[in-house]
Amino acid sequence: RKEVEQDPGPFNVPEGATVAFNCTYSNSASQSFFWYRQDCRKEPKLLMSVYSSGNEDGRFTAQLNRASQYISLLIRDSKLSDSATYLCVVNTGFQKLVFGTGTRLLVSP
Amino acid sequence: EAGVVQSPRYKIIEKKQPVAFWCNPISGHNTLYWYLQNLGQGPELLIRYENEEAVDDSQLPKDRFSAERLKGVDSTLKIQPAELGDSAVYLCASSTGTDTQYFGPGTRLTVL
Repeated sequence: RKEVEQDPGPFNVPEGATVAFNCTYSNSASQSFFWYRQDCRKEPKLLMSVYSSGNEDGRFTAQLNRASQYISLLIRDSKLSDSATYLCVVNTGFQKLVFGTGTRLLVSP
Repeated sequence: EAGVVQSPRYKIIEKKQPVAFWCNPISGHNTLYWYLQNLGQGPELLIRYENEEAVDDSQLPKDRFSAERLKGVDSTLKIQPAELGDSAVYLCASSTGTDTQYFGPGTRLTVL
């Protein structure tokens, strides 16, 4: 079983739609959690951290469920510019980040 | 502030040839990482440095891969000899030791 699992997609949605991505992790001792965004042929960039209480940044909402070892990302009012791959990332300890395979999002006009 | 710099951006070599990648982290970032990313996959850690010390190289294939960070700043990753399966993007990242890692643009390696 992979340490971090994501649905690779692609998720095809129209502009304005709400879309949610899920991610599960296997190491219950994992300490911190993130979503990174990666555009085609570009490097990953931090989108947001994920806190136990949930956190929101504009149209983006991230949630963590430690009991179920599950992380989610919700994007509201999708824009064309949101088209990218979203990587679920888990810090398993000692600054070791484990990346999921990524979920590809395509937003169409 | 300048970001993580990597060179070259692209490299095409024949199998069995050596290749080297260079990384200059963000100024002041003591932690440096080398990742390998295959198409359709997330980055996978190869090696992590704290200053000049390699603190996690458990995923580095040491028969053909080597890395160094002699003065605790720039780093070089080398493959000798390269194999067809080494074709991938090699990403360098740096951090201050907190969770957030900043990635360079990567070196796209093609082995023919």
